[in-house]
Amino acid sequence: SQQGEEDPQALSIQEGENATMNCSYKTSINNLQWYRQNSGRGLVHLILIRSNEREKHSGRLRVTLDTSKKSSSLLITASRAADTASYFCATAFLRGGANNLFFGTGTRLTVIP
Amino acid sequence: GAGVSQSPSNKVTEKGKDVELRCDPISGHTALYWYRQRLGQGLEFLIYFQGNSAPDKSGLPSDRFSAERTGESVSTLTIQRTQQEDSAVYLCASSLAGRGPPHNEQFFGPGTRLTVL
Repeated sequence: SQQGEEDPQALSIQEGENATMNCSYKTSINNLQWYRQNSGRGLVHLILIRSNEREKHSGRLRVTLDTSKKSSSLLITASRAADTASYFCATAFLRGGANNLFFGTGTRLTVIP
Repeated sequence: GAGVSQSPSNKVTEKGKDVELRCDPISGHTALYWYRQRLGQGLEFLIYFQGNSAPDKSGLPSDRFSAERTGESVSTLTIQRTQQEDSAVYLCASSLAGRGPPHNEQFFGPGTRLTVL
């Protein structure tokens, strides 16, 4: 399966702490994306990192990519209660131009106020 | 502007019945995707439409599943003779055409929660 796997499956932290989520995948990719899903809502795109990039920042988000280990991490700094959600990594391949994504199982993050 | 919309938001059906789920992508997005998300699991790719090209149906789990798209607009996902294992949230996403960022970003609808009794 090309599907990624996140760990931990669930993470509970205090507001203000940093949250780190990891993602591993199995095959070569074009890029890796992180999405967030609030309960009962659609997914929201957070950040995309290309296979030739190693680190990327967006606000309180920091994503790293290690293609040799086929892994990525998402760091949320200074977490807030509103960050409570499920976070998914998704890998993208360019097969015939298709941009369909392969998602991991997600990490459920709970930020306690 | 309007995002991706899906209808119905919830659908309860009896085993063996057919269901039709609808997706309205963002205007101007030529690529459209259907995913399935079972409880507690990651998303599972089902089918991809890109303009007038033949759709990528490689993710459809069985011949009971089919999807159509009218031009570059509405898409419908049809599940025939539904089974209990079809119960899931079905998500639709759309994106711009082309390769690489920003085209890779997919915008998701809120999903349709399907329950097969």
